Amino acid sequence: GAGVSQSPSNKVTEKGKDVELRCDPISGHTALYWYRQSLGQGLEFLIYFQGNSAPDKSGLPSDRFSAERTGGSVSTLTIQRTQQEDSAVYLCASSLAVGGGYEQYFGPGTRLTVT
Amino acid sequence: QQQVKQSPQSLIVQKGGISIINCAYENTAFDYFPWYQQFPGKGPALLIAIRPDVSEKKEGRFTISFNKSAKQFSLHIMDSQPGDSATYFCAAEGGTALIFGKGTTLSVSS
Repeated sequence: GAGVSQSPSNKVTEKGKDVELRCDPISGHTALYWYRQSLGQGLEFLIYFQGNSAPDKSGLPSDRFSAERTGGSVSTLTIQRTQQEDSAVYLCASSLAVGGGYEQYFGPGTRLTVT
Repeated sequence: QQQVKQSPQSLIVQKGGISIINCAYENTAFDYFPWYQQFPGKGPALLIAIRPDVSEKKEGRFTISFNKSAKQFSLHIMDSQPGDSATYFCAAEGGTALIFGKGTTLSVSS
């Protein structure tokens, strides 16, 4: 079946502009995660959604970052007033539920470059 | 605060050799420890995982060794092949999101 998809695959934006990154999780997965992968820094947790519960935003690095998940499916990560340090690969993952050792399935990522 | 420390940062192994990657964690609430494999341009994919009630888990050429008292776990790749060349991430979970190590880039020379 279809895996996790993300769009766009690449995004180049100018400093100060807003960007939106999209994630389509695997159908039936109630948990959705966003991670950021910077060179040499591994994967940094940003936010997760579990069903209709309030999201865990504890990993968001600043208030310029926000995310929403509509209808328990598609999610959008928004970065306002982008900075050069926001340049990274943004990865989305989904799983049957949060925690519990459920496998997280990752999308291919969106490579964001802020010039 | 880095909760999962991974070493080495990079590793070069000859074909047929054993690749060993180590991780250490701090939070005793972690109860699930997966390893992910990532090829360039792709998202990470689950390779193998272990829970702390066992000390070792083997799947084919891949083995996780787990030392609960030392709060350490490691990935062993036996008979390493060029196709194993990738970046490997250890991770830990305690009921919420995964906490990842910084990754190890493995290169297997033929």
